[in-house]
Amino acid sequence: AQTVTQSQPEMSVQEAETVTLSCTYDTSENNYYLFWYKQPPSRQMILVIRQEAYKQQNATENRFSVNFQKAAKSFSLKISDSQLGDTAMYFCASTGNQFYFGTGTSLTVIP
Amino acid sequence: EAGVVQSPRYKIIEKKQPVAFWCNPISGHNTLYWYRQNLGQGPELLIRYENEEAVDDSQLPKDRFSAERLKGVDSTLKIQPAELGDSAVYLCASSFGLTNEQFFGPGTRLTVL
Repeated sequence: AQTVTQSQPEMSVQEAETVTLSCTYDTSENNYYLFWYKQPPSRQMILVIRQEAYKQQNATENRFSVNFQKAAKSFSLKISDSQLGDTAMYFCASTGNQFYFGTGTSLTVIP
Repeated sequence: EAGVVQSPRYKIIEKKQPVAFWCNPISGHNTLYWYRQNLGQGPELLIRYENEEAVDDSQLPKDRFSAERLKGVDSTLKIQPAELGDSAVYLCASSFGLTNEQFFGPGTRLTVL
């Protein structure tokens, strides 16, 4: 069975600083995808970044980047130049034949 | 383009009553998901549709939950009878295929008294 583990229930970061959220996963699939989703206090979930497991190059979207370590089954999210609007729950997710979310990390950006 | 639409946004019912949730996915999205999200936790997949076919319903409590997606577009999720433990936010999402970005609706917050 697939599992996704986020070991940091809560984190905080000063505005303009950099923060890294951790995620590990376990899957028996050879072809899978990894995602980070953001859920602001209004609760509508939106995609932050997506990584195909067969690609070695780490995905980047503006201030958001990932550190994908396939052998270690690790998929961390780095947020650079943190902004107040980054305050939200962040969920790591993986998909092969099924789709699994982690339990989430609550990130607070402090002014 | 309109996003994923869900209704109602909020529902309060007595236990043992039935309840239904409706979802209209983004036009053209063949994959539709229903999730349950308890407070402080990640979404838990209840059922996934590929067009009209339910391809993953292993986490759906089939004794009281049912779902349908007629014509491969709109979907309804029903609970009958509801229990206190069913209080949660029910999220609908859609995508074009399993590996692409899911677009989420605002959710329905269910409270069972």
